[in-house]
Parts: sequence; C-alpha cells; structure tokens
Amino acid sequence: EADIYQTPRYLVIGTGKKITLECSQTMGHDKMYWYQQDPGMELHLIHYSYGVNSTEKGDLSSESTVSRIRTEHFPLTLESARPSHTSQYLCASSGLTGAAYNEQFFGPGTRLTVL
Amino acid sequence: QKEVEQDPGPLSVPEGAIVSLNCTYSNSAFQYFMWYRQYSRKGPELLMYTYSSGNKEDGRFTAQVDKSSKYISLFIRDSQPSDSATYLCAMSAMGGTSYGKLTFGQGTILTVHP
Repeated sequence: EADIYQTPRYLVIGTGKKITLECSQTMGHDKMYWYQQDPGMELHLIHYSYGVNSTEKGDLSSESTVSRIRTEHFPLTLESARPSHTSQYLCASSGLTGAAYNEQFFGPGTRLTVL
Repeated sequence: QKEVEQDPGPLSVPEGAIVSLNCTYSNSAFQYFMWYRQYSRKGPELLMYTYSSGNKEDGRFTAQVDKSSKYISLFIRDSQPSDSATYLCAMSAMGGTSYGKLTFGQGTILTVHP
C-alpha cells in the first residue's frame, strides 16, 4: 500500500544529543517536505526537496539539516538537540505534475521532546 | 499580518449541526485551496481540494472559494462526533518559487458532541 512513514513516532532525549528523524514514502513522489508544528499553531515549512540531491530551506529558520540521496527517503538531522527543538515534526510528499503538484500527503509525525 | 488567517475556535456543536469553517487570505497569487483534517496526535489528511473560485462537494463536505473576497469556507452537514478534529486550510500559488509550497492557516479545533 502506498503510504508515507515516519519513525520514531515519539522521542524523548537529553540536551546535546544528535538525532535523526526518518521519513520514507512509497508513492513514488518527487517532492518531499518537513514541517514543524507547535500545539495550536500552524504548520511551518522548514525544509523541502524537489528530487534526489535537491534540498532547500523553508520559510521557518531551523537548525536541522536534511538529505535526499534516494527518492523515497528524506531524513532530518539535529546535530545537537536543545529544549527549543521540542515540537512535532511532520513529513509530507507530493507528485510533480498537474493537480498532484499541490496535494501534499502527510506522515503521522514525530513528537520530539528535548529535556 | 499573516498571509492566511483562520479562527482557531474552539468550536463546539451538537451532533447533526451544520458546521462552517472559514479562512481569509491576503496573497492574490493563491490559486489552489485545500482543507486538511488532523486528528489528535496524527498527521493532517487531505479532505478537499479546489482550484480557483467555485464550489466542490464530496458527501457531507462542501468547499467554497471566493477569490474576489479572498475567502474560503468548508461546510460540514449532519456533523458527527467522528468529525471532531482540527481543520486546517492551506493554499498554494501557481508558478514561480512558491509553486507547490503550501501556506497553512492556524487550524480550527472542532468538537461535535453527541
């Protein structure tokens, strides 16, 4: 079944740890996105990619980094986590042409807590 | 001023009520309009998708876009407790560097009580 997956779903870690949030999709989509969402707030785009070896920073500045070595995989890394990074991180993907260009499909999210 | 404004609510209605959710926007370049539904501790799921002005109906859900007023609406008929969720509007421009990038509203929290 075509879908988009995120792991872990929940993560509690201490300050200074390096973490990687995984995102994979089986829909064959070229475009992928990372959003940050705080409770009661809108989604903010932090990274996006239009294809392999293509990554761009989004509208909200983030200390995280991303990579796109394979079409289906778009991991997000924090080199040194801090309490200010506590948030929900949502991964999304969309097709490349026509109406599908704008329809984004979301994963279940990773809720990160940094102590 | 935010590009997309959405009343966060919360909105509480009895089962069977008609619900109206709204967003206003300021960017006249927006051409694609979407409504997402997000259950607690889940990712948003696409509910409705419209291009430019007009209405679109899907079962109990109707999406309306009025580009002249920069105003979009989502109507839910015969609301059910299972409709309780946060509803997010999202918009996208056509062409240029914004092509394919979505701008979201804050989300409206809806509770439908039996």
